[in-house]
Amino acid sequence: EAGVAQSPRYKIIEKRQSVAFWCNPISGHATLYWYQQILGQGPKLLIQFQNNGVVDDSQLPKDRFSAERLKGVDSTLKIQPAKLEDSAVYLCASSRRDTGAQETQYFGPGTRLLVL
Amino acid sequence: GNSVTQMEGPVTLSEEAFLTINCTYTATGYPSLFWYVQYPGEGLQLLLKATKADDKGSNKGFEATYRKETTSFHLEKGSVQVSDSAVYFCALSTRYSTLTFGKGTMLLVSP
Repeated sequence: EAGVAQSPRYKIIEKRQSVAFWCNPISGHATLYWYQQILGQGPKLLIQFQNNGVVDDSQLPKDRFSAERLKGVDSTLKIQPAKLEDSAVYLCASSRRDTGAQETQYFGPGTRLLVL
Repeated sequence: GNSVTQMEGPVTLSEEAFLTINCTYTATGYPSLFWYVQYPGEGLQLLLKATKADDKGSNKGFEATYRKETTSFHLEKGSVQVSDSAVYFCALSTRYSTLTFGKGTMLLVSP
């Protein structure tokens, strides 16, 4: 089966500009996750969707970050306006259903963002 | 809250050496434990997992045992290869929370 797809792979922007990332999960996977991975650190969950509803967005900086999954399939993560500290790799992952003890998340290749 | 602590890298080994990467955790409830691997330029891949105490996860020659008494999940491999060079992440999840990752440990294997 096809894996999690993400685009673009790389993006360079100036601070205060806006940027959007796209993710297409594995077909049939109900749950979609966006993570932020800052250099030298492990991924940190930003938002989790179950179908097209938000399950957890407690660590999403809502003043500048937004995400949607309108039809319960692909998803877009937006940053507006970007700050220097947003430079990171943004990872998308999906799983068959709500994560639990047995569930496995499958990760995409990530989008590397550099804010100048 | 949940947290994962793993040894700092880089870990530098010669081919065929024995590998141990330490991982300890703090969690509420009964977590599942995972090791993910990230090869250069690629996304995270699940390497192995264990869902209850004393379980051993294994894959591609790597193994880790879920030790509840020491809250540990150390990754081991008897003989590493150059192709094992990557960043390894220990992680946990619980019934009510998604993945919490450690900071990652870089492994460099030389011929």
